[in-house]
Amino acid sequence: GAGVSQTPSNKVTEKGKYVELRCDPISGHTALYWYRQSLGQGPEFLIYFQGTGAADDSGLPNDRFFAVRPEGSVSTLKIQRTERGDSAVYLCASSPSTGGFYRDTQYFGPGTRLTVL
Amino acid sequence: AQSVTQPDIHITVSEGASLELRCNYSYGATPYLFWYVQSPGQGLQLLLKYFSGDTLVQGIKGFEAEFKRSQSSFNLRKPSVHWSDAAEYFCAVGSNTGNQFYFGTGTSLTVIP
Repeated sequence: GAGVSQTPSNKVTEKGKYVELRCDPISGHTALYWYRQSLGQGPEFLIYFQGTGAADDSGLPNDRFFAVRPEGSVSTLKIQRTERGDSAVYLCASSPSTGGFYRDTQYFGPGTRLTVL
Repeated sequence: AQSVTQPDIHITVSEGASLELRCNYSYGATPYLFWYVQSPGQGLQLLLKYFSGDTLVQGIKGFEAEFKRSQSSFNLRKPSVHWSDAAEYFCAVGSNTGNQFYFGTGTSLTVIP
């Protein structure tokens, strides 16, 4: 069975450009999460989807960051006017239950390494 | 605010030796506690989790962790480390107030022959 996949695995962009990062969750998983992991740090929560809706987007750092999950499966994290400080590994995870993400087992993808020059 | 502290940035152990990775949390109520492992080029994988009940939790790959409320700790242990255990280990806490999930900064484990 396929796990969580993320594309691209690496993305290099220039300051000010727009980027999209894609996450394909495990089939049937209703919950989907995005995290950002900076060098030497643990993952930092960005946003949590339950189905198509964002159940909690309190971790998005500012309005340059936006995420969608229009059909309740694939999700796209969108970053406008990228800054050098956005450079990090962006992780996606999914989980099967609706128990609240503070207690669900999350299955993580390998991440997308974003470098902003 | 909830937080997770992993005091050891990097630990080196010999293969076959025992291992203990420390995790301390700050949370007002009973937390939901997790340990994840991140191997190079791989996604984070759940080792074990604690919600309630028996404070000694068994996980995959021979790992266990013990929840100690009095010390606000959830340390990860393994009696005999294998070279394949070399990886980054993250402790995490889930909060049911505000629907939050926090990771520690991680402990990097090196295993020497």
